[in-house]
Amino acid sequence: RKEVEQDPGPFNVPEGATVAFNCTYSNSASQSFFWYRQDCRKEPKLLMSVYSSGNEDGRFTAQLNRASQYISLLIRDSKLSDSATYLCVVNNRGYSSASKIIFGSGTRLSIRP
Amino acid sequence: DGGITQSPKYLFRKEGQNVTLSCEQNLNHDAMYWYRQDPGQGLRLIYYSQIVNDFQKGDIAEGYSVSREKKESFPLTVTSAQKNPTAFYLCASIGQFNEQFFGPGTRLTVL
Repeated sequence: RKEVEQDPGPFNVPEGATVAFNCTYSNSASQSFFWYRQDCRKEPKLLMSVYSSGNEDGRFTAQLNRASQYISLLIRDSKLSDSATYLCVVNNRGYSSASKIIFGSGTRLSIRP
Repeated sequence: DGGITQSPKYLFRKEGQNVTLSCEQNLNHDAMYWYRQDPGQGLRLIYYSQIVNDFQKGDIAEGYSVSREKKESFPLTVTSAQKNPTAFYLCASIGQFNEQFFGPGTRLTVL
């Protein structure tokens, strides 16, 4: 089983739709969780951190479910510019121990007019 | 502006040559990372460094080498021992909340 698993997609949805991605992780001791966005042939960019209580940034909502060991990303009122690959990242880094940052393989999202 | 720079953006290498990819950051971050990304694939860790003069192998270190003589700089050398070096190489550092910041990447092609 992979340490971090994502549905690779592609998700092809119409503009204005709501779309949700899930990401599961295997290490129950994981500490930090993030969603990154990667455009074609570009570097990943931080979209949002994921907090235990859930957090929202405009049209984007991130949730963490520690009991079931998954995180989710919800995009409301999707725009054409949301088309990208979304990477789930799990960080087991401790301040006194070596970092263990695990990237999912990414979920491709394509928004159609 | 604070950030991470990588150079060159595109690099072409002949088989049997060593090449060095540059990574510089002015974010005052201690930890830096090198990843490789192949088309349609996720990121794979090559090397990382927690502090100056210290670095650790990642999951795919064979055929690569690094140095960390300065906090700001973490160059990666792709040696002739790396059998399939054509890929997109990404350098990153880590912030105080464990979030990673990436450079724009170097696309290496072996001719």
